[in-house]
Amino acid sequence: NAGVMQNPRHLVRRRGQEARLRCSPMKGHSHVYWYRQLPEEGLKFMVYLQKENIIDESGMPKERFSAEFPKEGPSILRIQQVVRGDSAAYFCASSPQGPSTGELFFGEGSRLTVL
Amino acid sequence: KNEVEQSPQNLTAQEGEFITINCSYSVGISALHWLQQHPGGGIVSLFMLSSGKKKHGRLIATINIQEKHSSLHITASHPRDSAVYICAVRDYGGSQGNLIFGKGTKLSVKP
Repeated sequence: NAGVMQNPRHLVRRRGQEARLRCSPMKGHSHVYWYRQLPEEGLKFMVYLQKENIIDESGMPKERFSAEFPKEGPSILRIQQVVRGDSAAYFCASSPQGPSTGELFFGEGSRLTVL
Repeated sequence: KNEVEQSPQNLTAQEGEFITINCSYSVGISALHWLQQHPGGGIVSLFMLSSGKKKHGRLIATINIQEKHSSLHITASHPRDSAVYICAVRDYGGSQGNLIFGKGTKLSVKP
């Protein structure tokens, strides 16, 4: 049973380009969470999704960021018109149950560098 | 004041020493997580606690709900335990998916 798979592991973009980060949860997990870790800072929650639904996006910036978790395929975190401040590690986690009871399984992260 | 405070921020130990990392929080919680992050690497979930104590190998995690405090202990520490240890809480009254993270404790175990 493969763990949470994130790709790409490293992504370099120029300012104004788009970044797409993908997360495949563990088999049987229908709950996906995205977190951001800025350089020298702690992790911050961004968004919580279940299949085809955004449950909680209270941590997402209001502009340029979007997330989806389609019926088929991985969850995608999309950042449009990237700026240098978007440079960070983006971690995905999945759980078999909801957040109040579900243990979390994290991916290796996607490290975005904006030039 | 941060809602989740960890101490110490940095910790250096000799191989074999008993290590304690502390986490205090100010919100009502439904669960507390201890996570491990190696430099440049991914995050591993060590424990999820809502009460009492859990043990896995050389790692022990305890939580005191009344005092809003948790500790992570490592017995017979080894250089491979060198990592950042992160405490995170699920706010009982907060939004569904939100974990609130501490800033982490950077542990270095010398051989």
